[in-house]
Amino acid sequence: DAGVIQSPRHEVTEMGQEVTLRCKPISGHNSLFWYRQTMMRGLELLIYFNNNVPIDDSGMPEDRFSAKMPNASFSTLKIQPSEPRDSAVYFCASRFTSSDTDEQYFGPGTRLTVT
Amino acid sequence: GDSVTQMEGPVTLSEEAFLTINCTYTATGYPSLFWYVQYPGEGLQLLLKATKADDKGSNKGFEATYRKETTSFHLEKGSVQVSDSAVYFCAVWGNTGFQKLVFGTGTRLLVSP
Repeated sequence: DAGVIQSPRHEVTEMGQEVTLRCKPISGHNSLFWYRQTMMRGLELLIYFNNNVPIDDSGMPEDRFSAKMPNASFSTLKIQPSEPRDSAVYFCASRFTSSDTDEQYFGPGTRLTVT
Repeated sequence: GDSVTQMEGPVTLSEEAFLTINCTYTATGYPSLFWYVQYPGEGLQLLLKATKADDKGSNKGFEATYRKETTSFHLEKGSVQVSDSAVYFCAVWGNTGFQKLVFGTGTRLLVSP
């Protein structure tokens, strides 16, 4: 399996622009997580989905952030409009929910720079 | 809710030194415990895990024992290598309510030759 796939790997954009980050989870996994990592705040869970349904979005910082999972093999995280403080590495992770396998697999991340 | 506290870094060691990174957790019920490692420029990857009290997780020379009485899951390695330089995250997976991993803040390990 190719693992969790994220695109783009790097994104540089100007303040006010819309940014869309994409994630393809591991085939067969039914939970998907979006995280943000910064030096100041560490690793933060933004939102997670179970069977394509958002379960907990309490970590989404504000209304500028939105996430969707239209099907089991694709999710997007959108920031509109973007701001310099959104600069971070955004990770997607997926997991198969079962009592025997707890491991959560992370993608390589998207490094976002907003100027 | 569930939470994890791990020691502040960076931890700086010479090659072949003994490593301990402390981790304590707060959770209800019988959570699973994990250590993840993040190498520079990469995502997190699972290093080891333990799913019940007194279990010992081990991988690549690293070990951690699930201590329910002290709510701890300290990471140890007898002899570190330069290639172990990374950030290490302790995490708890609660088995009540909405199931999700709760991570500690991470501890950076720097190993010099």
